[in-house]
Amino acid sequence: GQNIDQPTEMTATEGAIVQINCTYQTSGFNGLFWYQQHAGEAPTFLSYNVLDGLEEKGRFSSFLSRSKGYSYLLLKELQMKDSASYLCAAPEDHSGAGSYQLTFGKGTKLSVIP
Amino acid sequence: GAVVSQHPSWVICKSGTSVKIECRSLDFQATTMFWYRQFPKQSLMLMATSNEGSKATYEQGVEKDKFLINHASLTLSTLTVTSAHPEDSSFYICSASHGAGGSGYTFGSGTRLTVV
Repeated sequence: GQNIDQPTEMTATEGAIVQINCTYQTSGFNGLFWYQQHAGEAPTFLSYNVLDGLEEKGRFSSFLSRSKGYSYLLLKELQMKDSASYLCAAPEDHSGAGSYQLTFGKGTKLSVIP
Repeated sequence: GAVVSQHPSWVICKSGTSVKIECRSLDFQATTMFWYRQFPKQSLMLMATSNEGSKATYEQGVEKDKFLINHASLTLSTLTVTSAHPEDSSFYICSASHGAGGSGYTFGSGTRLTVV
C-alpha cells in the first residue's frame, strides 16, 4: 500500500517562494500527482511526475526523486489566491486488475499573508 | 479536455432518508469511477472503485449496503447514501481515470451533503 506524508500547514508571504515536500512509500510506482484544493471545492490538477527531475509550469514547479521517494511542489511569486490545500497523491492498483486508485496525502494547508 | 459533471452540488436531507449523487463523464468513456469522501480539514479518502457493468470494490470500513454504487453505463456512475445520518454529512467527490496506467484523473465538482 501507499504511505504519503506531507506537512500539515505552512505560511508564506505574498511574493515569496515556498516549497511543499512530500515523501512516499509505495509497493509499485506509477507517478506522483500534485493537486490544489480550495475549501469546499474539488481538487485541481497541478502536475504529474513520472521521471526524476524538475518540471516547471509557470509559477509552479514539481520535483521528483524516485530513489529517495521524495517530491516537492515549488510555488514562486506567491499570490493571495494561492492560499489553499496542496495534495500529494499517487496511483495504486489495489486489486491488480489494472484500475489505479489515487491515494492522497493529508494535504498541506498553505496560508499566504500580505 | 475530459470533464466529469457531478450533481447535485449540495444537498440537505433529513436523517433516515436516501440521497443519490450522479457523476457523468461528458466527453469520454469512464470505464472506472472512483468515489471519495472528505470530512472537514481532512484529505480525500477513497470509498470505492466502480467499474462499468460490475460490482463496486469497497475500501475497508465502508459499508456497501449503506453506500450503493451503480455504474450501469460508460458515462454514468451513481452513489446513493441510504438511510443517511448526521455523521454521513461530508463532501463526496467522484473521479474518473482517463489515462493509461494511472496517468490521468478528472474530478467532479463535488457534492456537499448535510444530514439534519
